[in-house]
Amino acid sequence: QQQVKQSPQSLIVQKGGISIINCAYENTAFDYFPWYQQFPGKGPALLIAIRPDVSEKKEGRFTISFNKSAKQFSLHIMDSQPGDSATYFCAASSYRGSTLGRLYFGRGTQLTVWP
Amino acid sequence: KAGVTQTPRYLIKTRGQQVTLSCSPISGHRSVSWYQQTPGQGLQFLFEYFSETQRNKGNFPGRFSGRQFSNSRSEMNVSTLELGDSALYLCASSFEGAGEKLFFGSGTQLSVL
Repeated sequence: QQQVKQSPQSLIVQKGGISIINCAYENTAFDYFPWYQQFPGKGPALLIAIRPDVSEKKEGRFTISFNKSAKQFSLHIMDSQPGDSATYFCAASSYRGSTLGRLYFGRGTQLTVWP
Repeated sequence: KAGVTQTPRYLIKTRGQQVTLSCSPISGHRSVSWYQQTPGQGLQFLFEYFSETQRNKGNFPGRFSGRQFSNSRSEMNVSTLELGDSALYLCASSFEGAGEKLFFGSGTQLSVL
């Protein structure tokens, strides 16, 4: 059972365009929602994260939008650059209960930014 | 600060063998967690250790085990290797754990022949 569902599987964007990746979750106990970026041959690196008490968080060109009622969150990459070409993973975790210490990942989105 | 270090980087084993992977967390981090990454299943949680105690375990068979030492370094062991164990094994460390602010190593690529 996939606790976090991510789409699209792959995304091609022109340089300077906006990349949008969407995720949905089921478990209402989740209270931490990070996005990770992974380049080939490397481990995932934390990009940006949000908690459900805010609807949006922006760091540079990266923005997370969060919709608690719909149990959805998305990553927007503004002014996409070829260096942003990587695999992006959304994830969720909870600081309580049986899921403590565990990150549930989406299946990933392969982003390609054409120059 | 040095990042998370995983050794070895690559490993080739045959079915039935056992393997031990090592992880050195970022200095000061008390939590170490392990994930398996495969093209088919994506990133799957194996277990998390915090101050030498296993705090949570994923849905993997008992052939997968781990431990954490007093200096926070961690090892994971897979016994009786199967072809399906071929994967990238990632270690992540954090100060508080609970899945927050994880810093991942580059992983150990295990191939089982």
